[in-house]
Amino acid sequence: QVQLQESGPGLVKPSETLSLTCTVSGGSISTYYWFWIRQSAGKGLECIGRIYTTGVSNYNPSLKSRVTMSVDTSKNQFSLKLTSVTAADTAIYYCARQLQYYSGMDVWGQGTTVTVSS
Amino acid sequence: QSALTQPASVSGSPGQSITISCTGTSSDIGGYNYVSWYQQHPGKAPKLMISEVSYRPSGVSNRFSGSKSGNTASLTISGLQADDEADYYCISYTSSSPYVVFGGGTKLTVL
Repeated sequence: QVQLQESGPGLVKPSETLSLTCTVSGGSISTYYWFWIRQSAGKGLECIGRIYTTGVSNYNPSLKSRVTMSVDTSKNQFSLKLTSVTAADTAIYYCARQLQYYSGMDVWGQGTTVTVSS
Repeated sequence: QSALTQPASVSGSPGQSITISCTGTSSDIGGYNYVSWYQQHPGKAPKLMISEVSYRPSGVSNRFSGSKSGNTASLTISGLQADDEADYYCISYTSSSPYVVFGGGTKLTVL
């Protein structure tokens, strides 16, 4: 079955760039939508954005100026870059799959904790 | 892009039924039959419980059901069990980027 695994630094300094990768195993990354979602401690889920396997991406308007997503089909991976981070970006970051633009997110990574601190 | 509105908390006793509401607008819930529900236990990733308003993925108990009326979607859990105690989130397709909008989450307590 398809599994997702987030990877990247667990600690990022303020004003620097947060970079995460989600590796898809057990299936192809092609023809689906891929999301980055985060959750601050004790808070709800926040959509960062999504990317289709063609590379077309859509971002949360509140983060759009700082977010870039990319996909590497040869490696079965997609990535997130968030620039100029602050303590408010400290959260658990999840990647997730959406089969169709209208369907639920049926596969999630276990999540990776990113702390922004000097 | 406003979040969908969910009650902060609901509770019920074992064996009872509870319903969690999720209210949006005609640009999201009211305009499309594309609402999904997720269960999240502490320290775990969310799990898809309902897709497209009322479709239950393979492996999800039939005690979980979904419905929609107008701009409000609902998740009903029947025969409450201790393991149902978790946070529940609704997500809807929306007409504006990034084409999904999230509810704020509801904490279910099984008394």
